[in-house]
This record gives sequence, structure tokens and C-alpha cells, in this order.
Amino acid sequence: GAVVSQHPSWVICKSGTSVKIECRSLDFQATTMFWYRQFPKQSLMLMATSNEGSKATYEQGVEKDKFLINHASLTLSTLTVTSAHPEDSSFYICSARDRRVSSNQPQHFGDGTRLSIL
Amino acid sequence: AQKITQTQPGMFVQEKEAVTLDCTYDTSDPSYGLFWYKQPSSGEMIFLIYQGSYDQQNATEGRYSLNFQKARKSANLVISASQLGDSAMYFCAMREGGGNFNKFYFGSGTKLNVKP
Repeated sequence: GAVVSQHPSWVICKSGTSVKIECRSLDFQATTMFWYRQFPKQSLMLMATSNEGSKATYEQGVEKDKFLINHASLTLSTLTVTSAHPEDSSFYICSARDRRVSSNQPQHFGDGTRLSIL
Repeated sequence: AQKITQTQPGMFVQEKEAVTLDCTYDTSDPSYGLFWYKQPSSGEMIFLIYQGSYDQQNATEGRYSLNFQKARKSANLVISASQLGDSAMYFCAMREGGGNFNKFYFGSGTKLNVKP
């Protein structure tokens, strides 16, 4: 089945550091990927829709200058948390859909990245 | 209004028994898709089952079945013969519209605990 790889799985860093998270579709091409944030015991909150070759579409309330998204190829999207602070600590998870399949196919998720800012 | 509502924050079920996890949705679009995902404590999201708005029959995938009641806008997940490994968070999600790349709306989730 479709596989999405997300890296790194765990990051601990100092406040003020910028952190890059990668999301790769391993066996399919994805013109669109989605980035979510999840707080403990809560649901997934969509942050932005990443579109290959164009600007990402951010959800209301998400700072685009804080969370930089780049989707440079059909298999890779990156999320960079710039100048991270403790309140940015969270579980970040990406998803992608194979652009060739019909709409009844699910989004495939990466395994997520646990970000802890000290 | 919430697009997806899961009213059960937590559920307990005895091993080998069946359990129903509730999900209601809100949309005026005639074309939509409903999905259930399982999230174990490790965090990954595992796709379980899909129901399309035009599907005439309820979806089934192994021990998972979806009780789709379109008029009531509900899409409850039924897990038969619960196993200890079924203990996890379960999320109901909706893709609104027929587009391949339309975003998903997720419910708040239900934490299922299977007791031995």
C-alpha cells in the first residue's frame, strides 16, 4: 500500500532554533500534501495544504511566516518551524494522497514528528 | 457548526465483544466521503474503512463495518470481536465534495479501551 515517510520522528531542541520536518511519499506521487498539528488527547488540526510547485494554503489562524512549507517535488514536502518556542511543542503529522487514484481513497499519513522545544 | 462530531470521548469494551463508535457529520454537499482512522499510542494514523455518500451498501473491512445512515447523517464504526490491540484513539473524518484533493475534517476522537 501507499507509504508516507516522515522524518525526524522526534526532535528536542532549544528555544529559538528552526526545525525542518520532511514528508515523503515513497511509492506514489502527491501533488497535494497536508500538514496537521495534534495536541495531546486532541484531534488533528489542519495547518496547511501543501501544493507542488505553488504556495501552500494556510488555515485561518496559522502563521505562514512561522510555519514555512515547501513542496518542491511530487514526493517531498517540508515544514519548517522557524524560531521555535516552547508553545510550538506538539505532534506534527503529514498526509498525502496519490494523485492518480479516485476520491474514495484515503489520505495516507506519515508516522508523525514529536517536537519538544526547551 | 462542527463538520464531524464524535460524542464519546472514551469507551470501554470487553474483549471479544462488539462495540459501536458514534460519528455524525454536517454537510450540504451531496458528494462526500467518510473515513475512519485508528491512532495507537505510538501516533501513526491507520486507515480503517471508507464510505462514499453515494454508496448504497454499508462498507465492511474485516472486523470493521460502517453503519451509514444518510438521512440521519451518521456514520458509526462497528468493531466486532474486539481484541486487546484495538485499544487506541479512533477518528472519524469527512472529505467534503468530490475532489481528489479536498481537505479532510476530523472529529475529536474516541478513546477505546478493550478490557481482557
